[in-house]
Amino acid sequence: EIVLTQSPGTLSLSPGERATLSCRASQSVNNNFLAWYQQTPGQAPRLLIYGASSRATGIPDRFSGSGSGTDFTLTISRLEPEDFAVYYCQQYGRSPRTFGQGTKVEIK
Amino acid sequence: EVQLVESGGGLVKPGGSLRLSCAASGFTFSTYSMNWVRQAPGKGLEWVSSVSSDSRYIFYADSMKGRFTISRDNAKNSLYLQMNSLRAEDTAVYFCARAPGSGIDYKDVWGKGTTVTVSS
Repeated sequence: EIVLTQSPGTLSLSPGERATLSCRASQSVNNNFLAWYQQTPGQAPRLLIYGASSRATGIPDRFSGSGSGTDFTLTISRLEPEDFAVYYCQQYGRSPRTFGQGTKVEIK
Repeated sequence: EVQLVESGGGLVKPGGSLRLSCAASGFTFSTYSMNWVRQAPGKGLEWVSSVSSDSRYIFYADSMKGRFTISRDNAKNSLYLQMNSLRAEDTAVYFCARAPGSGIDYKDVWGKGTTVTVSS
């Protein structure tokens, strides 16, 4: 099983700042099959990024994904108030599909 | 509008059973893989099970094997999860989620979830 470790656990930032979230895999993720999701309290997750760097439909371009192999990054270029949430990475290159434990982006 | 709506959650005693349903609308259900993903209170996301568009390929997380059964009815645009021998640690919000299929398994549409509580 591929273990995904996200860091940091919590990121305290102000609106307008840049957020950089990390997702490290215990083994190489096949075909860079890595997705990022955003979840706000009481809501379902929302797909942001798939294939490590492709933005999902309707996702603003302030969200970007990068990385390959075992190291992946989600960057939010300028935080908007609605971006304060928990972010999860998920690999779908190997079974079982696994999620990271999440990074909470909170208002400083 | 593309939509997934879960139902069937509730309070059940340890050892009991529950059947969750997910009604799909707004897209061609029969061409997508479908998944169940759960989230225990205050915890992260955990993949539970997936079924291919034609039900040929079915997968389970190890902790659910032998207790949970996923199925779908393409004629009714519906996904199901039969949960038996429930344990306290199965308490969670259960989401159904769509995936493109053919090995491409990011979840691009999610339902709002249904809550399962296992307690005596």
